[in-house]
Amino acid sequence: GAGVSQSPRYKVAKRGQDVALRCDPISGHVSLFWYQQALGQGPEFLTYFQNEAQLDKSGLPSDRFFAERPEGSVSTLKIQRTQQEDSAVYLCASSLENKNTEAFFGQGTRLTVV
Amino acid sequence: GQNIDQPTEMTATEGAIVQINCTYQTSGFNGLFWYQQHAGEAPTFLSYNVLDGLEEKGRFSSFLSRSKGYSYLLLKELQMKDSASYLCAVRVRTGANNLFFGTGTRLTVIP
Repeated sequence: GAGVSQSPRYKVAKRGQDVALRCDPISGHVSLFWYQQALGQGPEFLTYFQNEAQLDKSGLPSDRFFAERPEGSVSTLKIQRTQQEDSAVYLCASSLENKNTEAFFGQGTRLTVV
Repeated sequence: GQNIDQPTEMTATEGAIVQINCTYQTSGFNGLFWYQQHAGEAPTFLSYNVLDGLEEKGRFSSFLSRSKGYSYLLLKELQMKDSASYLCAVRVRTGANNLFFGTGTRLTVIP
């Protein structure tokens, strides 16, 4: 597609429910990132893939958060047993492998845990 | 940890010039990015600086001083559509594209 696509755009989950957020990066982009953005804050890094390899997951806040990119394109961020503090916008970004290239962001999934 | 500071809010008049500052203290440095984010939308890339100096791109310019850990984004001939949040972000390590963001500066352009 022309840009990074994320689905769903909005998700309301009951506390304790599991959720799965999808990201379709720009075709041909090797690098894929997940960020979490709380209201009024800048995005915070969660995890990074290069193709199917998860090279950095240092930003994942707990073991309830899990991300995968099995075929090196689409990625899924899964949150188990959601809690209220998980409420945020989850942004996905992709970029070419060249380190000097900017990342292109999707519109994000707004997760609200009630 | 990584520290990236920028003002929370700014207001400026349509047609004027505004400068948004960003200071950073990070464990490494491999480039600084500015992104624009309208409410409810994706951040969009504005500029990238890795060497000291000014980068100009139309109405937007960005400056970097690595020795001072300082950057600014300059917006000229402000338009109402420039009302948005402006995010300063630093790439800390070579070989890794993940960015550390500031909290963003919410700019309001008034008539």
